[in-house]
Amino acid sequence: GAGVSQSPSNKVTEKGKDVELRCDPISGHTALYWYRQRLGQGLEFLIYFQGNSAPDKSGLPSDRFSAERTGESVSTLTIQRTQQEDSAVYLCASSDTWAQNTEAFFGQGTRLTVV
Amino acid sequence: RKEVEQDPGPFNVPEGATVAFNCTYSNSASQSFFWYRQDCRKEPKLLMSVYSSGNEDGRFTAQLNRASQYISLLIRDSKLSDSATYLCVVTRTGSARQLTFGSGTQLTVLP
Repeated sequence: GAGVSQSPSNKVTEKGKDVELRCDPISGHTALYWYRQRLGQGLEFLIYFQGNSAPDKSGLPSDRFSAERTGESVSTLTIQRTQQEDSAVYLCASSDTWAQNTEAFFGQGTRLTVV
Repeated sequence: RKEVEQDPGPFNVPEGATVAFNCTYSNSASQSFFWYRQDCRKEPKLLMSVYSSGNEDGRFTAQLNRASQYISLLIRDSKLSDSATYLCVVTRTGSARQLTFGSGTQLTVLP
């Protein structure tokens, strides 16, 4: 596709339910990132993929959060047993290579509201 | 201490003013540096990369001081359309290339 695509754009879920967020990166981009942004806050790093591997999962806030990537393409972020503090915009970004000064392109995000 | 720190602002300046934002980073292994811009309820977008020699793009000038681990962004002749949050971003290479974002500096340009 022309850009990074995320779905759904908005998700309202009840506390305790599981949710799955999807990211379609720019075709050919090997690096993929997930970030969380709470209202009025900065970007919080969650996880990074190089190809289908996740060398850095240090940002996942708890074991309720998991992510995978397949075919060096689509990634899904799963949040189990959602809590109200999980409410945020979840942003996905992709970039071309390991090279320095390579721009990361963001999707428009998934706005998650846990009620 | 956060790995990337920025003055959150807000900065409220009149049209035509010159405004400067600063950013410090704590990891001396940081290798690449960027300024991103985020409009309200939108995704971040690259504004400019930051090079050791400093670089300019129209009204925007970015500078990097590796010794002091300090990055700056200067906006001259500010426009209403410059109103946004400006995010300082650093990366480090190695086994895990990670973009680390500062919390952002909010700018409002007033008519």
